[in-house]
Amino acid sequence: QSALTQPASVSESPGQSITISCTGTSSDVGGYNYVSWYQQHPGKVPKLIIHDVSNRPSGVSNRFSGSKSGNTASLTISGLQAEDEADYYCSSYTSSNTLVFGGGTKLTVL
Amino acid sequence: EVQLVESGGGLVQPGGSLRLSCAASGFTFDTYAMSWVRQAPGKGLEWVSAITSTGGSTYYADSVKGRFTISRDSSKSTLYLQMNSLRADDTAVYYCAKDRKAPGAWGQGTLVTVSS
Repeated sequence: QSALTQPASVSESPGQSITISCTGTSSDVGGYNYVSWYQQHPGKVPKLIIHDVSNRPSGVSNRFSGSKSGNTASLTISGLQAEDEADYYCSSYTSSNTLVFGGGTKLTVL
Repeated sequence: EVQLVESGGGLVQPGGSLRLSCAASGFTFDTYAMSWVRQAPGKGLEWVSAITSTGGSTYYADSVKGRFTISRDSSKSTLYLQMNSLRADDTAVYYCAKDRKAPGAWGQGTLVTVSS
């Protein structure tokens, strides 16, 4: 049950776009379309922003989008805003009937 | 509106036990799988355990297997996590969440501190 691999931190200017990667294996990310992304602001509860690779729950901005290629999933945030500054986590269902999270990525909006 | 309210956290000595509860409302509890996810202070999210909608199947992270037991009571719309043989590295905020493949709604969490 090794954690999925995410960059520890990313940064970009307001109005720009940024992509966060999430790399796993064929036993998790590559094997299932159950990749999710969560946004967590400091001291707050994680919020689901993408599920099933590319689906946005109701109420989530369309500036957030998800995709997957092979064993790597990606979260793209377009038109960056100050409020997007947060930690982002990916997760994937696995062949062991478990869930595995990425180590998290701290997004800084410069 | 979906609501998940955890309780039962607190300070416990190494080797001790705690039982966490998660009271669910706003959805048909017995039609959804449920999960526990934890977050150690200043660290990332770690999946802990999940249970199917009927309670017929349970799943655990290797780090807690044999020590933690997940269960549910449909009559009370409540999810439980029995934690035994607690260790210092079990110190974390424990969240219950709706669903097991893409946990959507999360509770506010309950803090478990394992320390002497």
